[in-house]
Amino acid sequence: AQSVAQPEDQVNVAEGNPLTVKCTYSVSGNPYLFWYVQYPNRGLQFLLKYITGDNLVKGSYGFEAEFNKSQTSFHLKKPSALVSDSALYFCAVRENQAGTALIFGKGTTLSVSS
Amino acid sequence: DAGVIQSPRHEVTEMGQEVTLRCKPISGHDYLFWYRQTMMRGLELLIYFNNNVPIDDSGMPEDRFSAKMPNASFSTLKIQPSEPRDSAVYFCASSESVRRGYSNQPQHFGDGTRLSIL
Repeated sequence: AQSVAQPEDQVNVAEGNPLTVKCTYSVSGNPYLFWYVQYPNRGLQFLLKYITGDNLVKGSYGFEAEFNKSQTSFHLKKPSALVSDSALYFCAVRENQAGTALIFGKGTTLSVSS
Repeated sequence: DAGVIQSPRHEVTEMGQEVTLRCKPISGHDYLFWYRQTMMRGLELLIYFNNNVPIDDSGMPEDRFSAKMPNASFSTLKIQPSEPRDSAVYFCASSESVRRGYSNQPQHFGDGTRLSIL
């Protein structure tokens, strides 16, 4: 069965510092991995995805994520955090197989202080 | 370019009443998903459709919940009768499939319906 874990409920960083939001996953086959961001009173917005190829994936708003197959991780990163990055971040995984659903993590609240 | 449109944005009703949530997916998208988000349970997939046909409804919590997609541009999620524990934010999302299937395409979410059952 597929599963995804975001071990931190909240991540706090100072503006200008690098940020990392952690995600680990479990699938029986090859994974498709996604990051979404949710701002208050809004729906989830797609940030980036890993399907195949380079392990470092670049996405919207300067975010990137690194796929690590041996550690089954897909951590979200940004070199320099902005206060406007403060939001709820979701990692999601799906098996590379027709008919499987996208499984979301519980979400991590990122708080960037000025 | 219009995104996924949900209505109403907010709904407050009394226990026992019928509630109907509406969704218009992005034009050309052939997959439609209904999710429920609560603090306790996070984001849960309720049901999803492909080409207007329900594919997996295993996430629908009870028979009180039903969903339909009469055409490619409209879907409803109905709760009858509603209960206070149904209070949540309900999201609709859509995605498109490509030649190799929908698995690698991102889902596009509406802004949700915040439902409060008193």
